[in-house]
Amino acid sequence: DQQVKQNSPSLSVQEGRISILNCDYTNSMFDYFLWYKKYPAEGPTFLISISSIKDKNEDGRFTVFLNKSAKHLSLHIVPSQPGDSAVYFCAASPTLSGNTGKLIFGQGTTLQVKP
Amino acid sequence: KAGVTQTPRYLIKTRGQQVTLSCSPISGHRSVSWYQQTPGQGLQFLFEYFSETQRNKGNFPGRFSGRQFSNSRSEMNVSTLELGDSALYLCASSPITGGNTEAFFGQGTRLTVV
Repeated sequence: DQQVKQNSPSLSVQEGRISILNCDYTNSMFDYFLWYKKYPAEGPTFLISISSIKDKNEDGRFTVFLNKSAKHLSLHIVPSQPGDSAVYFCAASPTLSGNTGKLIFGQGTTLQVKP
Repeated sequence: KAGVTQTPRYLIKTRGQQVTLSCSPISGHRSVSWYQQTPGQGLQFLFEYFSETQRNKGNFPGRFSGRQFSNSRSEMNVSTLELGDSALYLCASSPITGGNTEAFFGQGTRLTVV
């Protein structure tokens, strides 16, 4: 049972344009969401997070939007740069009820930004 | 501040053997989690330790075990290795357990079972 889904395995965009990566979740107990970026042979690097009490969080070129009613979140990268080419993972955490450091990850979306 | 350190980086083992992987968290971080990454299954949660206690466990067989020491360093052990255990094993540390904090990952240990 895949509780966090990234339905697009890959995405290709032109440098300077917007990249939009999507993520859906099924468990309404999730209340904290994170995006990680991963290069080959490296561990995931934290990008940005959002708590369920917010619907938007922005950090530089990265903005995460959360739609709780649709159980959907998205990561916007504007403008996209070739160095952004990597695999992006969406992750969710149920922080209530003592559910501790467990993160549920999506399958990842490979982003390619073309010069 | 040094990041999360995992050793070894690469490991080749034979079916039936056992293996121990090590993780040193970021200084001051008390929560350590382990994940398995495979091409078909993505990143899957193995277990989490906080103050030397296992606080959460994923859906993996009992062959997968772990522990945490008083200095927060953690080890995971896989016994009776199977070909399907070949994966990238990632360790992540957090300053507290639960709560809205991100986990910081190490570079992983690439385990190949032959």
